[in-house]
Parts: sequence; C-alpha cells; structure tokens
Amino acid sequence: AQSVSQHNHHVILSEAASLELGCNYSYGGTVNLFWYVQYPGQHLQLLLKYFSGDPLVKGIKGFEAEFIKSKFSFNLRKPSVQWSDTAEYFCAVIPYSSASKIIFGSGTRLSIRP
Amino acid sequence: DAGVIQSPRHEVTEMGQEVTLRCKPISGHDYLFWYRQTMMRGLELLIYFNNNVPIDDSGMPEDRFSAKMPNASFSTLKIQPSEPRDSAVYFCASSGQGSGNTIYFGEGSWLTVV
Repeated sequence: AQSVSQHNHHVILSEAASLELGCNYSYGGTVNLFWYVQYPGQHLQLLLKYFSGDPLVKGIKGFEAEFIKSKFSFNLRKPSVQWSDTAEYFCAVIPYSSASKIIFGSGTRLSIRP
Repeated sequence: DAGVIQSPRHEVTEMGQEVTLRCKPISGHDYLFWYRQTMMRGLELLIYFNNNVPIDDSGMPEDRFSAKMPNASFSTLKIQPSEPRDSAVYFCASSGQGSGNTIYFGEGSWLTVV
C-alpha cells in the first residue's frame, strides 16, 4: 500500500539550530509532494510543494525541501530555526495515478527552545 | 480569494445530540475532503467527494457519521447521535486542477461532546 513515513515523531531544537525533517514515501511512479505546517491551535497550511523541475524547492519562512527520487525522499530543511517555528509538520504525497487522493505522513512535532 | 470556510468554529454539545458541520470549498475546486484530527489518532481522512459525488467513504467511522455535498459550494458532515469519543477537530479541505491538486484546509470545527 502507498504510504508516507515521517520517522521523527518529536524533534527538539534550540533557536538558531539547523533543521532537517525526514520524509519517505512508497510509490514507484510520478508523485506530487507537499509539506504542510500546523501551528498550535491552527489548521494545516501549505509550506511548499514539488510537482516537477528543480528538485530543490523553496517555501515560505526560509524552509526548503529536496526531492531525491532514487531515495523516495522529500526532506524538509531550514538552516536556522526560530521559536516561532514550533509546530507540527506533515509530509504528504499525491501519487500521479490517484488523482487527488493525498496521503499524509503521521507528522513531526517540532519544539524550539528559546 | 476566500479560503475554505467552515462553521461552526467551535461547538460543545451533549452526548446523543445531532451535530452538523458545514463547509464551503474554494470556488472552482472539484474535490472536497473531510478530515478528523485527534491527539490519539492524528489526521484521518473520513470521506472525499469529486464533483459532488462521494468517491471514498471508507474512513467514516460508523453509521452515525454521514456526509453530503448537494452542490459544488456546500458540504455537510453530520454525526447522529454524537458520543464523547467524537470530540475532535474536523477539517474540511478542497482542491482542484486549478490549484495543481494542492489541498487547502479550512480552519476547522472544534467539536466537544460532553
């Protein structure tokens, strides 16, 4: 079955530390890839997305993600985190063949120590 | 552009009462999704529609839950009778080819059943 794995359930960092959150998916065909962020008490908001082209995608608030097809990965990165980045981060995949049925990972909770 | 609009934002109801959650998708989107989010179970897809037709309702927990989409701009999720274990945040989301199949979420309906 198609799935999305986010191996880090909870990550704790200090401000200014670098961040990398892992995301792997299981689907051999073409995919659309997404990262969503959910700040405490809020809804999921789109952080960035990859459909095609340059595998290094820039998103909002200094986030970026790199699509590595050979590794079925789409890891999220930020060189220097801020306290306001405290949130839950969800990786998501739409297999090209499944129209709009998006598959979400289980999320990674990021806590930033001020 | 207005985003996905949900109502009510918050509802507290007594066990056994009927609950109706409402959603207006983004204009022009042809997919509509209902999700439920809890601490224990995370984000769960309940049902989704394409062009007002239910495509996959396998996530609907039981017969107490029902969803309708009478037209392209309105959907409801109904719980009858409600139980305390239904307490959760219910998100509506929509997508369409115009948005590159990117899913946009509403702000959620926070339901507490006492």
